[in-house]
Amino acid sequence: EAGVAQSPRYKIIEKRQSVAFWCNPISGHATLYWYQQILGQGPKLLIQFQNNGVVDDSQLPKDRFSAERLKGVDSTLKIQPAKLEDSAVYLCASKQTGEKLFFGSGTQLSVL
Amino acid sequence: GQQLNQSPQSMFIQEGEDVSMNCTSSSIFNTWLWYKQDPGEGPVLLIALYKAGELTSNGRLTAQFGITRKDSFLNISASIPSDVGIYFCAGQKNTGTASKLTFGTGTRLQVTL
Repeated sequence: EAGVAQSPRYKIIEKRQSVAFWCNPISGHATLYWYQQILGQGPKLLIQFQNNGVVDDSQLPKDRFSAERLKGVDSTLKIQPAKLEDSAVYLCASKQTGEKLFFGSGTQLSVL
Repeated sequence: GQQLNQSPQSMFIQEGEDVSMNCTSSSIFNTWLWYKQDPGEGPVLLIALYKAGELTSNGRLTAQFGITRKDSFLNISASIPSDVGIYFCAGQKNTGTASKLTFGTGTRLQVTL
C-alpha cells in the first residue's frame, strides 16, 4: 500500500516570497490533515479536511496560509507571503476511520 | 494552541535498559496515543488507548491511560538501538466530525551500545 506522498521534500525561500506544498493521501482516505512542526516541538494542526470540505481550520493563520482539496483527493497548502517564523516541517496525514493517522515524510521549509 | 507536557525532554540510556516517559495535560482526553518519529520522517503510531485506566502492550512497549484522563505513560523494555527517535504522546477529543489531535512536546531517546 502506497503511503502519503508529499512534495517537495525541501524548500528554501526568502521572506515575503510565496510557497506551495502538495500532498497525495493514501487512496480511499477521506480525512486529510496538514500539520506544522517547528524544530523541537510536536506537530500542530493547521487544517483538517473531510473529503473536500474543511472540518477544522481554527489554527490556520488565514491572513497568509490557505489550503484546498478540490476533488477530495490531493491537497495543496500555500503560504503567501512567508515569514521567518514559518520555517518548519509541514506534515500531511490521512486516515480512513478510527484513530490511526498515516503521516507523510513532510516538507522542510526554510525561510531566510 | 495547547501542547501536552512530556517528560523527560531527552534520555540517554544503554542498550538493554528499560525506559519510562510520561505525558500530562490540563485537559481531559477521550483517547491517548503514542507516536515515534525518526529523523526526516513523519510520526508513526505505536499504541492507542481508549479507556481511563487501560493498560496496553505492543511487543516491548507498554502504555497506560491515566485514571484522571489527563495523563499517560509509555514504557519501553530492554531497549535496542532502533528505539532511537522522538516519542510523542497525543490526546484526542472527539467533537463531532472533528477528532482533534493535540501532540506533546516530545521525548528524545538516545540508545548507546
